Amino acid sequence: SAVISQKPSRDICQRGTSLTIQCQVDSQVTMMFWYRQQPGQSLTLIATANQGSEATYESGFVIDKFPISRPNLTFSTLTVSNMSPEDSSIYLCSVLGTSGGSSYEQYFGPGTRLTVT
Amino acid sequence: DAKTTQPPSMDCAEGRAANLPCNHSTISGNEYVYWYRQIHSQGPQYIIHGLKNNETNEMASLIITEDRKSSTLILPHATLRDTAVYYCIVRPGRGNQFYFGTGTSLTVIP
Repeated sequence: SAVISQKPSRDICQRGTSLTIQCQVDSQVTMMFWYRQQPGQSLTLIATANQGSEATYESGFVIDKFPISRPNLTFSTLTVSNMSPEDSSIYLCSVLGTSGGSSYEQYFGPGTRLTVT
Repeated sequence: DAKTTQPPSMDCAEGRAANLPCNHSTISGNEYVYWYRQIHSQGPQYIIHGLKNNETNEMASLIITEDRKSSTLILPHATLRDTAVYYCIVRPGRGNQFYFGTGTSLTVIP
């Protein structure tokens, strides 16, 4: 399994500012993803972070609001731009692993708890 | 798109088996059933997955019906630390990202 770390673990930010969240994996992985979990809700996929190319965003999420970088196979960043209180959520990094054979597991980082005031 | 249906909440007595159902009536032939759980404020944790055969590991057992339209996750001896939200997800084995539904909030009662 992959070990994933995220920085910061939590932050309190003022509206209108931006926060960059870092995700580090202990091994090279092909697929990395970013999820958002709003208070009391399930996880929502934001985007797939592609190494060497632009991220692929899900419906309802745009690059200007959530720019993503993926400079190599072990690291990615998610920026939450021009924040508003509605962006208060847990942001989770995830990677696709292999269990051998034809099926793949997905591993999640501990999350970054963001509060926007 | 979440393609599973789970009860929103369940209770289970400590030490008893917890049986968590999941309906996935539109599952395709190449889609696996995955189970994850999320303990409060932590990232989701992988539990088990299967295609058509029943599976067992150190954490749980997964029972998939013969028509594959539903499954049950079994925690054989639930402890207080098993209190969490449990997510059932269907996805092709070589598919990419997971799409999460609303899950089942399991509360283990002393």
